Parts: sequence; structure tokens; C-alpha cells
Amino acid sequence: DAGVTQSPTHLIKTRGQQVTLRCSPKSGHDTVSWYQQALGQGPQFIFQYYEEEERQRGNFPDRFSGHQFPNYSSELNVNALLLGDSALYLCASSLGATGNNQPQHFGDGTRLSIL
Amino acid sequence: GESVGLHLPTLSVQEGDNSIINCAYSNSASDYFIWYKQESGKGPQFIIDIRSNMDKRQGQRVTVLLNKTVKHLSLQIAATQPGDSAVYFCAESHGATTDSWGKLQFGAGTQVVVTP
Repeated sequence: DAGVTQSPTHLIKTRGQQVTLRCSPKSGHDTVSWYQQALGQGPQFIFQYYEEEERQRGNFPDRFSGHQFPNYSSELNVNALLLGDSALYLCASSLGATGNNQPQHFGDGTRLSIL
Repeated sequence: GESVGLHLPTLSVQEGDNSIINCAYSNSASDYFIWYKQESGKGPQFIIDIRSNMDKRQGQRVTVLLNKTVKHLSLQIAATQPGDSAVYFCAESHGATTDSWGKLQFGAGTQVVVTP
């Protein structure tokens, strides 16, 4: 049973560039959430995708956008990268059709460094 | 405001002893709580969850206690092992509306160090 997989594992970009991160959910899951984790802090919710639409959004600017595909996989796009965007980006999957109170299972993340 | 936080940033435990990790939350609407374990270089690993209609839930070597009166959550690890060394996060969400479903809010984490 494959868990949540993310790619790439590491990425280095420069200020002003854009980046796309990818996530494949755990088998049987239909909902994907993205989180940003700064060093030494807990993950911060970015947004959640269900049925190919953004269902929830955290306090992140419009530079952060996403997409979910019919096979439930997802992408996170960040435009006009800033130094402060350096972080571990985590993807989590869950069963969304039954509503809240479903455990989210995380991948190992993409480490994004902005120079 | 809404927040989830931990009382102790670092917890040192001797191998074989029981560990207790505490977490406070401020949102009285929170109705779902999760504990995660995060090892260095890895993503958070699901340990156990509990819904607000329960006070206690047990898993393998772990027990989560929920006290809604004082908005407090704890994770107990029995017979702590070296492999339990990691950062532990509590997280909460509330399902009052579909707008809040699945929006996990994490605390800062507690570093657990298991000594031989």
C-alpha cells in the first residue's frame, strides 16, 4: 500500500522564479492538503483540494496556487519566489467525502531553498 | 484567537519510562485532535486521533486523553524506546462548517529525547 509520495525531494530556486511541487496521495484517498513548515515550527495549512477544486484555504497569498487532477494527484505552484518561501512543503492526503474528522497522512515533503 | 500550543519544548525521558506530552488549545469549537510524530528529514507520521465525543483513546503503547473542560490534550507513551525520539505535534480542527473541514492547526511541537 503506497503512502503519500512527493517530488522532488529537494529544490533550489532564486528569488522571483516560480516552482511546481507534486504530490500523489495514499491509495484510496481523494483529498489532498498542502502545508508549509518553516524550520523549527509546526506545519501551516496552505490549502486543500477535493474533487479537483480548492475547498479550504489558509492565510497564504495568491502567489500560492494549486491544482488537483482526476487521479487525485496534486500540484502546488508558487510564483515570484521570496526568500521567506524557503521551507519544507508537505502534502497530506485523506478521505474527504465523509467530511471532517479524518486523519491526514503526510508525505516526506519537498525541501525548497530560495537563494 | 485560535491556537494550539505545547507546554514543554523539550522532554527528556529515560528508556523504559512512560512519557507524557501535553498540549493546550484555545478554540472551544475544536472537535477533532491528532498527534503526529516527526523524525528528522521526514514528514509527520500519524500516531493517534480522538474526537470530541471521547475522553480517552488507546493505541499500541500510546494513549490520548482529552479534557474539554480545560481545553487540554495529552499523549502518553508507555515504555519509551530510543525509536520514540522525535518531535511530537498535536493538531486540531473543527468541523462546524464545511469551510473548516480538514484545516489542521498545529502547535510548535515538543522534542522528545530518549536517554539510555
